[in-house]
Amino acid sequence: SQQGEEDPQALSIQEGENATMNCSYKTSINNLQWYRQNSGRGLVHLILIRSNEREKHSGRLRVTLDTSKKSSSLLITASRAADTASYFCATDARYGGATNKLIFGTGTLLAVQP
Amino acid sequence: DTEVTQTPKHLVMGMTNKKSLKCEQHMGHRAMYWYKQKAKKPPELMFVYSYEKLSINESVPSRFSPECPNSSLLNLHLHALQPEDSALYLCASSFINQDTEAFFGQGTRLTVV
Repeated sequence: SQQGEEDPQALSIQEGENATMNCSYKTSINNLQWYRQNSGRGLVHLILIRSNEREKHSGRLRVTLDTSKKSSSLLITASRAADTASYFCATDARYGGATNKLIFGTGTLLAVQP
Repeated sequence: DTEVTQTPKHLVMGMTNKKSLKCEQHMGHRAMYWYKQKAKKPPELMFVYSYEKLSINESVPSRFSPECPNSSLLNLHLHALQPEDSALYLCASSFINQDTEAFFGQGTRLTVV
C-alpha cells in the first residue's frame, strides 16, 4: 500500500541553492518522517515531525506539517553535491492501536550539480 | 549499536529454489519490518512483527514466509519465486508505539532467474 504522493518526482539544482520537496498523504497519522536513500541501498532517517507539531528544524533541514491539508514539505538549504539522493516521506500510523505502520510516499530524486 | 544487519547482500535464485533472507538488530526494538523495493519505486511494506508476533501482512503471496524466532532476528523464507519478485528487500526495526525513527538495513538484492 502507498500512503503519499511526493512532488516533484525529480529535482535538479545547483550547489548552494535550496531544494523543496512536498508530500501529501491520505489518512490520519501519528507522525511523518523523511528518509534519504542513496543508490538503491538502505534508507537513512532524516527527521520526524509529530502530528501536533507544525515545523521542525535539524541542521540544514526544515520540515513543515499541515494536518488539515494532509501535507508536509522538506526544505534543504544550501545544498551540496553530497545531498544527491532519493528522498521519501513516510507516514507512521498506529495500526490496531499498537503496531507502527510506516508507509512511504513516491519519493523525489534530487540531483545537486556541483 | 545502531545497526540493522541483513544477509546476504546479493542473492540469485532459481524459481524452484528455497532460500532465506536474514535480518538482525540489537537495539532492543520490538517492531521489525520487511519491505520490498523495485527500481525507482518507494519501499512497499510487506510484513510487520510486533513483540515477535506477525501483526501486519500486506496481502503478500504465500511464497514469501516471514519468521521472527526471537526479538533480535527476522527471517524471510522464499520458495517458488517468480522473476517479477526480483527486487531489493529491506529490513527495518523500531521501538513500538512511539514517535521514533525506523532503522534500515542495507538490503538484500534478490534476482530470480
